[in-house]
Amino acid sequence: EIVLTQSPATLSLSPGERATLSCRASQSVSSYLVWYQQKPGQAPRRLIYDASNRATGIPARFSGSGSGTDFTLTISSLEPEDFAVYYCQQRSNWPLTFGGGTKVEIK
Amino acid sequence: EVQLLESGGGLVQPGGSLRLSCAASRSTFDGYAMSWVRQAPGKGLEWVSVISGSGGDTYYLDSVKGRFTISRDNSKNTLYLQMDSLRADDTAVYYCARSPSGFAASFDPWGQGTLVTVSS
Repeated sequence: EIVLTQSPATLSLSPGERATLSCRASQSVSSYLVWYQQKPGQAPRRLIYDASNRATGIPARFSGSGSGTDFTLTISSLEPEDFAVYYCQQRSNWPLTFGGGTKVEIK
Repeated sequence: EVQLLESGGGLVQPGGSLRLSCAASRSTFDGYAMSWVRQAPGKGLEWVSVISGSGGDTYYLDSVKGRFTISRDNSKNTLYLQMDSLRADDTAVYYCARSPSGFAASFDPWGQGTLVTVSS
């Protein structure tokens, strides 16, 4: 099983600041890495697929990068609605696995 | 817009059974792989099972293999999860989600989830 480790667990930032979230895989997942956003009481929403492709309707301030074992989700300038939990997921190997999440909270 | 609506959750005793359903809003359900993903209270996401668009291929998380069965009725645009021999650690919100690009894929969109509580 591929283990995804997200860091930091919590990121405390102010609106307008840049957020950088990390996801590290226990073995290479090539570019088969996906990012989701989840707000309290809501289902997750896909943001980025295959490491760097923005999903439909996702604002340009969200970007993804990386390949192999190290991946980054960047939010260039935090909007109030971006404070949420973010998960990465790999689709390279069975079982499909998720990271433990990074909570982006208001400082 | 494709929408997914889960139902069938509730309180069940350990060892009991439940059947979850996920109804799609329109026929774009047909041809797409579909998954169930769960989230224990206050915890992260865990993929549970996937079924191909035709229904001919399925995969399961090891901890549910032999206890859960995923199926679909393409004529009704509905996905199912039959859960037997339920355990306390199966307690979670269960989401159905479409895989837009194949069998081992990402999940988009997601339903709103249905809560399954396994407790005596």
